[in-house]
This record gives sequence, structure tokens and C-alpha cells, in this order.
Amino acid sequence: AQSVSQHNHHVILSEAASLELGCNYSYGGTVNLFWYVQYPGQHLQLLLKYFSGDPLVKGIKGFEAEFIKSKFSFNLRKPSVQWSDTAEYFCAVIPWGGYNKLIFGAGTRLAVHP
Amino acid sequence: DGGITQSPKYLFRKEGQNVTLSCEQNLNHDAMYWYRQDPGQGLRLIYYSQIVNDFQKGDIAEGYSVSREKKESFPLTVTSAQKNPTAFYLCASSIKGGGYVDEQYFGPGTRLTVT
Repeated sequence: AQSVSQHNHHVILSEAASLELGCNYSYGGTVNLFWYVQYPGQHLQLLLKYFSGDPLVKGIKGFEAEFIKSKFSFNLRKPSVQWSDTAEYFCAVIPWGGYNKLIFGAGTRLAVHP
Repeated sequence: DGGITQSPKYLFRKEGQNVTLSCEQNLNHDAMYWYRQDPGQGLRLIYYSQIVNDFQKGDIAEGYSVSREKKESFPLTVTSAQKNPTAFYLCASSIKGGGYVDEQYFGPGTRLTVT
């Protein structure tokens, strides 16, 4: 079955530290890739997406992600985190022909300490 | 102010009762979705609808039912057949249905507790 793996369930960082959250998917064909974020008490919202083209994708709030097809990965990065980045982050995949049905990873809960 | 509304925010029910969760959108989106979120499991798709009067089962449809009589509304009924209904339920929508792939916009969610 198609699946999405997020390796870190909980991450704790200090402000200004660099962030990298891992995401791997199991589908071998063409995929569309997403990172969503859920801030405390807020709606789930799109952070960034990759459909095609440049594999380095920039999103909102200084986040970026790199699609590495050979590794089936789409890791999320931010050079310097802030306290306001405390949230839960979800990687999601839509395999080609998947009718816009998102397949989510289990999520990574990030806590940033001042 | 466009968006997706879900009501109520918290819902409590006794085991054996059916309960309907509301989802309304004023974004004029064709497609709508219901997801269930459980701790440590991410979101899983329950049902989706690409257009009015049409809907399909997602990965975990057993014990749930939906209707799509209006473009803006996609209510979810959690029936007594759902073995573990306590969860956080999220509704989402996207601009087009069919094979069109794009961002989904999420509502605030309803937390259902069944005792």
C-alpha cells in the first residue's frame, strides 16, 4: 500500500537552530508532494507544494523543501526557526492519477524554545 | 470572509447514537473531503466528493455516510457501526474535482467524543 513516512514524531529545538524534517513515500511513479502545517488552535494550512520543475521548492515563512526522486524523499528545511514555528507538520502525497486524494504522514510535532 | 466552517467545535455522544457533523464552504469549490485525525496517525480520508450529487469512499469509509446535495455543504454522519468514532474530524475543499490536483483548504475541525 502507498504510504508516507515521517521519521521524527517529536522535535525540540531552540530558537535560531536549523530544522530538517524527513519525509519519505513509497509510491514509485509520478507524485505530487505537499507539506501542511497545523499551528496550535489554527486550521491546517499549506506550507508548500511540489508538482514539477525545480526540485527545490520555497514556501511560506522561510520554509523550503527538496524533492529527491531517487530517494523518494521530500524533506522540509528552515535555516533558523522561531518560537512561532511551534506546530505540527504533515507531509502528504498524491500519486499520479490519485484524484487529489492526499495520503498523509503521521506528522511531526515541533516545539521551539525561546 | 471566505472559508470552511465546521460545527460544532466539540461534540459529545453516547455509544450507539448516530451523529452528523456539519461542513459548509463559501469558496465555490467543486470538491470536498472528510478526513479523520488520530494522534500519531496523521489524517486519513473518509469520503470525498468531486461534484454535487456524487461522492466516493476513501480509505476508512466503514461506519460513515455522507451526502452532497448542495455545492457548499458536505455533511458527515458517524453511525453506530463505526467501532472507534472518537477522533478529530476535518473537512476540506479544493477548487476542482476530477483528476485535477491542487491545494486543499481545511476547516477548523470537530472533535467528537463518544462514551
